[in-house]
Amino acid sequence: GDSVTQMEGPVTLSEEAFLTINCTYTATGYPSLFWYVQYPGEGLQLLLKATKADDKGSNKGFEATYRKETTSFHLEKGSVQVSDSAVYFCALTPGSNYQLIWGAGTKLIIKP
Amino acid sequence: DGGITQSPKYLFRKEGQNVTLSCEQNLNHDAMYWYRQDPGQGLRLIYYSQIVNDFQKGDIAEGYSVSREKKESFPLTVTSAQKNPTAFYLCASSHSNQPQHFGDGTRLSIL
Repeated sequence: GDSVTQMEGPVTLSEEAFLTINCTYTATGYPSLFWYVQYPGEGLQLLLKATKADDKGSNKGFEATYRKETTSFHLEKGSVQVSDSAVYFCALTPGSNYQLIWGAGTKLIIKP
Repeated sequence: DGGITQSPKYLFRKEGQNVTLSCEQNLNHDAMYWYRQDPGQGLRLIYYSQIVNDFQKGDIAEGYSVSREKKESFPLTVTSAQKNPTAFYLCASSHSNQPQHFGDGTRLSIL
């Protein structure tokens, strides 16, 4: 069945460092891909999305490119801030129904 | 402002007691979802509903029940049959094939 695999956390970086959080997927058909962010004690917020191959989603300095050839959707940011500390979830929707398939989440810790 | 409202933010359950978590949305979304999140873990789907008066079990439905009598509302009841109910519960809604929008969650604990 469809699945999403994220790199295990926590990922600990210094402020202004470059961030990559890896996400790969398996899916039949043509899924849409998403990154969500969860700040401590809160619900999830949609960070960015991509609906077809080679699309690049971007928001708040974060970017991810839908790579069909490598079945990946890695999250990147050029210079992280302490306020980026959160848990990041990669997810896909198969396109044939409403459900989301979730990765396990990656906790990001940014130190000043 | 449109959004999803979950209440209460914190809830305590006594042994053998049923409790109901509220979820209301004013986004006019067709679909609504309930997830459970345990500390340091991802989301697991409990129930979802694509239209009023219809809902389907997710991956961990045992010990939970839902209703969808109105488009705006999708309450979740945690029954006494759920032996380990302590968790963070998240409600979400969406249009077909669109991103899900989440509420701020309800944290359930056992007294």
